[in-house]
Amino acid sequence: DAKTTQPPSMDCAEGRAANLPCNHSTISGNEYVYWYRQIHSQGPQYIIHGLKNNETNEMASLIITEDRKSSTLILPHATLRDTAVYYCIALKTSYDKVIFGPGTSLSVIP
Amino acid sequence: DAGVTQSPTHLIKTRGQHVTLRCSPISGHKSVSWYQQVLGQGPQFIFQYYEKEERGRGNFPDRFSARQFPNYSSELNVNALLLGDSALYLCASSPLPLTGLNSPLHFGNGTRLTVT
Repeated sequence: DAKTTQPPSMDCAEGRAANLPCNHSTISGNEYVYWYRQIHSQGPQYIIHGLKNNETNEMASLIITEDRKSSTLILPHATLRDTAVYYCIALKTSYDKVIFGPGTSLSVIP
Repeated sequence: DAGVTQSPTHLIKTRGQHVTLRCSPISGHKSVSWYQQVLGQGPQFIFQYYEKEERGRGNFPDRFSARQFPNYSSELNVNALLLGDSALYLCASSPLPLTGLNSPLHFGNGTRLTVT
């Protein structure tokens, strides 16, 4: 499974877009990029996933570069409730375990 | 619908004891996986069970074991507890095995285990 790297922490002003980067330079063709977030004292929450096309849902947008070596999770209008640790994971189409890195701790500032 | 439920929410044990943690998946979900999360780190995969069979195992010692019941609920057992086993233990469920790309994991809020 591809290893992902993320910045350990980021700040974002409330109401602004939060752009969280993820590098997955060793990703293979059958690996999807998944994003989860974990708010303090809760279990991780699924946000979005994609293979090579950009994806959008009610929570966020996922932009994957053409070479698939990196991606960006976009929270369009960050609120204080978006303060959390965000995890980027690369998963094959057939996998038997999930590997989380340390993630990015996002702080949304009033 | 109820989400993934885990019990107990908090637990304190002494070194050398054993512990059983329980997980009830979302109704209709047949896959359950377990994770250990030490403070400041991401969750570390322990086991996956699907249809009562072990489908994946992380790099954990044999003191860790699990099983899944006919109603798809699951137990995680840890024997001979060590101080280093203190962590948040998370359970996640999904409709399909971890191979199901369009069935993301749904996590419970975990059991906080403290070993003294």
